[in-house]
Amino acid sequence: AQSVAQPEDQVNVAEGNPLTVKCTYSVSGNPYLFWYVQYPNRGLQFLLKYITGDNLVKGSYGFEAEFNKSQTSFHLKKPSALVSDSALYFCAVRRGADGLTFGKGTHLIIQP
Amino acid sequence: DVKVTQSSRYLVKRTGEKVFLECVQDMDHENMFWYRQDPGLGLRLIYFSYDVKMKEKGDIPEGYSVSREKKERFSLILESASTNQTSMYLCASSSGASQPQHFGDGTRLSIL
Repeated sequence: AQSVAQPEDQVNVAEGNPLTVKCTYSVSGNPYLFWYVQYPNRGLQFLLKYITGDNLVKGSYGFEAEFNKSQTSFHLKKPSALVSDSALYFCAVRRGADGLTFGKGTHLIIQP
Repeated sequence: DVKVTQSSRYLVKRTGEKVFLECVQDMDHENMFWYRQDPGLGLRLIYFSYDVKMKEKGDIPEGYSVSREKKERFSLILESASTNQTSMYLCASSSGASQPQHFGDGTRLSIL
């Protein structure tokens, strides 16, 4: 069965510094991986996905993610954090045609 | 832009009531999903649907049922609400398994 782990409940970063939100996965076969962001009292918004191809995937709002097959990781990154990036971030993996399996989420807090 | 609309943002019901949560999408997507979101647990799949009148159980279907009579509408039904069903419920739709899911803003349901 597919699974996703987000090892950090919370990540704190100073504004202007680079940020990384970690995600590792376990799947049989080739993984389809996604990152979503959730702002307070809102649904999830899609940031980026990895299906195949280049290991560095670029997404919305300046975010990117690096797929590493040997480490089974898909970490979310941004070169320079903004206070407005503060939100709850979810990593997810496709589960066949049956939707997504999500990690438990990581709170990202950007300090001015 | 894809729009997924959930009929209620906040809902308060009593134990034993039959509760209906409605979701409508405007992009002619085949796939629709219901998740519940609880702190520290991430999102968990309740039910999903590939097509009209088709439904499949997700990871936590107990106590829930669904209805999809029209392609754009997917309803979640709590047959006899219980306090452990107090949660945030999120509806999503997608055009295929490798495509992003688009989420509504959620219904925060409280069962008293």
